[in-house]
Amino acid sequence: DSGVTQTPKHLITATGQRVTLRCSPRSGDLSVYWYQQSLDQGLQFLIQYYNGEERAKGNILERFSAQQFPDLHSELNLSSLELGDSALYFCASSVGTRHGYTFGSGTRLTVV
Amino acid sequence: AQKITQTQPGMFVQEKEAVTLDCTYDTSDPSYGLFWYKQPSSGEMIFLIYQGSYDQQNATEGRYSLNFQKARKSANLVISASQLGDSAMYFCAMREERGNQFYFGTGTSLTVIP
Repeated sequence: DSGVTQTPKHLITATGQRVTLRCSPRSGDLSVYWYQQSLDQGLQFLIQYYNGEERAKGNILERFSAQQFPDLHSELNLSSLELGDSALYFCASSVGTRHGYTFGSGTRLTVV
Repeated sequence: AQKITQTQPGMFVQEKEAVTLDCTYDTSDPSYGLFWYKQPSSGEMIFLIYQGSYDQQNATEGRYSLNFQKARKSANLVISASQLGDSAMYFCAMREERGNQFYFGTGTSLTVIP
């Protein structure tokens, strides 16, 4: 157990639907990062939050949004889902810039 | 330009042999960190080893060592005495001091042959 908790582990949903992925960072980590891993795109950085505030944005679609709550857990909302959104979504947390990420086990999203 | 380049999409190694996975990076930041992660077929990302740009010695963690050549901007991962359980995808990553994200390479798929 890495200490970063992601739920659910698997999600199957239909096109056009909306889902929410949840992440609880490791205790003491203020930063949460979201990544999308698909077969053809590799690991793509989506967005980072630090202590409740958006800190950096990557290749995140407008249909996707995220937030980090006062208890530091984060949610990634994916709406108007398309087949191409099927991927493994990772959350990672970090204690600071000199440290690596600790990854959660990921949420495997399948859009049918 | 790619921040992290892994030129070996797939590698094979005989069990108990050593293997080197290549990684080159590109940055103008004098302070950065280099990381290697392992992703087995189960999907989780497992941190293996870290090298700071100012570290004088190559990092080692058990059977893993990082061959850090700063002038060449390379950070190759060496796995000694390969085991069947080492079969996985391996990702090289970099974090710049000034940045807020990691840059990942495209990964190398390692297969250990019995």
